[in-house]
Amino acid sequence: GQQLNQSPQSMFIQEGEDVSMNCTSSSIFNTWLWYKQDPGEGPVLLIALYKAGELTSNGRLTAQFGITRKDSFLNISASIPSDVGIYFCAGNNAGNMLTFGGGTRLMVKP
Amino acid sequence: DTGVSQDPRHKITKRGQNVTFRCDPISEHNRLYWYRQTLGQGPEFLTYFQNEAQLEKSRLLSDRFSAERPKGSFSTLEIQRTEQGDSAMYLCASSSLGFGDTQYFGPGTRLTVL
Repeated sequence: GQQLNQSPQSMFIQEGEDVSMNCTSSSIFNTWLWYKQDPGEGPVLLIALYKAGELTSNGRLTAQFGITRKDSFLNISASIPSDVGIYFCAGNNAGNMLTFGGGTRLMVKP
Repeated sequence: DTGVSQDPRHKITKRGQNVTFRCDPISEHNRLYWYRQTLGQGPEFLTYFQNEAQLEKSRLLSDRFSAERPKGSFSTLEIQRTEQGDSAMYLCASSSLGFGDTQYFGPGTRLTVL
């Protein structure tokens, strides 16, 4: 089963608000990734983090690789309607299987 | 389009039938992965290939499942004697060893077993 605890499970926010979600693990990971998935589609990579403590931005998205290597967070600033979707964190060791969190469903009210 | 492609996008089959899915990775990616995703869950790892060698298989990959990557390019995932519990989205991803090994996913194949 999944080893990553992702929270919150869902969020319903007003357009323009900032969003924060996080992921924790009982195990250490060497890489943390954040994906967004729309209904009926595959996950799309948003941000990849390769080093403990790393803080990386991609437009309105910012993600950090926790210093303990057991957690990561994703922030979205000034949300817009197209941010709607399910966000997944994933951890990777040894370059093979990804372990995914349960997802955060984001809903944005215009 | 140079991303990961999967075919078919949707498959409806009757219980007991065999189905086969195809994945074409990003060109020159030497690693290819299969995942399964059920409704409301994150994807779960099934198996992965480095070039044509299948290097790891999850316990989720029962004897009815088989995957191949015969020439180190495209891959197929076959499910024999499908069961209703096989209904899920089957996702393929690829990565390039040595470039952060970041996995990029295809659009998935949605399987419905009646």
